[in-house]
Amino acid sequence: GAVVSQHPSWVICKSGTSVKIECRSLDFQATTMFWYRQFPKQSLMLMATSNEGSKATYEQGVEKDKFLINHASLTLSTLTVTSAHPEDSSFYICSASRYRDTVQETQYFGPGTRLLVL
Amino acid sequence: QKEVEQDPGPLSVPEGAIVSLNCTYSNSAFQYFMWYRQYSRKGPELLMYTYSSGNKEDGRFTAQVDKSSKYISLFIRDSQPSDSATYLCAMSANFGNEKLTFGTGTRLTIIP
Repeated sequence: GAVVSQHPSWVICKSGTSVKIECRSLDFQATTMFWYRQFPKQSLMLMATSNEGSKATYEQGVEKDKFLINHASLTLSTLTVTSAHPEDSSFYICSASRYRDTVQETQYFGPGTRLLVL
Repeated sequence: QKEVEQDPGPLSVPEGAIVSLNCTYSNSAFQYFMWYRQYSRKGPELLMYTYSSGNKEDGRFTAQVDKSSKYISLFIRDSQPSDSATYLCAMSANFGNEKLTFGTGTRLTIIP
């Protein structure tokens, strides 16, 4: 159990276009979902935290108008990179956490989406 | 100063050796300590988590936390080539729906 999927696994787009990345919890309901970004040879950096039905909370330095997050249901969150530029090229990873027997469990990570902006 | 420091390696050891991976941290609010394994171009996979100080063992893996020294370790016994990956430590003040602060990861290679 506790499987998180992401789609697409990789995407190449032209500069100025928008890209949507989906994150799904396949076998559990995720109370909270997180979006991370990882540049080569660097660690994961949290971009934003989202709870179902409410606005996402963005980390300092992350442009909320550029990285749109929608957590429409307990199993789906989307990240849209608007007007993408080459510097947005990165590995985007989502995670999800859940309650199990009234206990909040740790985060389960998706496989990541590699974005290349030309 | 970063909140979490981790030697990026790379670290190469022969198969069967004991591997020691470490992280130090500065934020005394951290109570939960996790170790993740990440294969190339994949998402992190949770290996172990520990609350507060102490040891936890799971098969060939042992996690240790020393809050007084702000130092955590992951030991891998009888290392296998399949253990070759990047190992990330992560920490948080609360569990679950709380921001995780990651180390930079240590790239480990087990040589057959």
